[in-house]
Amino acid sequence: EPEVTQTPSHQVTQMGQEVILRCVPISNHLYFYWYRQILGQKVEFLVSFYNNEISEKSEIFDDQFSVERPDGSNFTLKIRSTKLEDSAMYFCASSEAWGRYNEQFFGPGTRLTVL
Amino acid sequence: DAKTTQPNSMESNEEEPVHLPCNHSTISGTDYIHWYRQLPSQGPEYVIHGLTSNVNNRMASLAIAEDRKSSTLILHRATLRDAAVYYCILRDAGDMRFGAGTRLTVKP
Repeated sequence: EPEVTQTPSHQVTQMGQEVILRCVPISNHLYFYWYRQILGQKVEFLVSFYNNEISEKSEIFDDQFSVERPDGSNFTLKIRSTKLEDSAMYFCASSEAWGRYNEQFFGPGTRLTVL
Repeated sequence: DAKTTQPNSMESNEEEPVHLPCNHSTISGTDYIHWYRQLPSQGPEYVIHGLTSNVNNRMASLAIAEDRKSSTLILHRATLRDAAVYYCILRDAGDMRFGAGTRLTVKP
């Protein structure tokens, strides 16, 4: 069964460093998403991406964050200068189509720890 | 997205049915009702969705009130693997806004 994969599973970084989280969405999917979940809290939407453009973003997704689809398979989330409060699980998701009735498939997540 | 209200936690015995309620009194006519779950240390996983009619799939059933102000996710026979946080989400667009969900504990 096709699945979303994410690398690395755990990333440790120093405050102020740049990190890139990588995702490989399901191959025939066209819409891509990033979510984050701070330990013990709810899953929060960050950004959605389609056709090499951001479709929607939340108030969390500020200038420190960027997303990119550098090739036909990868989808990345970059945090330019990490802060302690960026420590969280980051989930990538993809869907075949856009819309309120479409299922999103989530990856296993990357745990980001900022020291 | 419109707001949903779910109990913080519920318990069930293994092999018994579980009814997980969700209130969404401010639902709009175009909102779809989605349920996702998150097993421990995993990403969210789709369970089921519906608009007006009750829905069944291999994982669960979704019962939607006639006025659509509430819905119930039904697991027909809970297993230990069903222990998870269950999220009821109203969607009027592509992205999803999660609430706190219901933490389901399944006792052997």
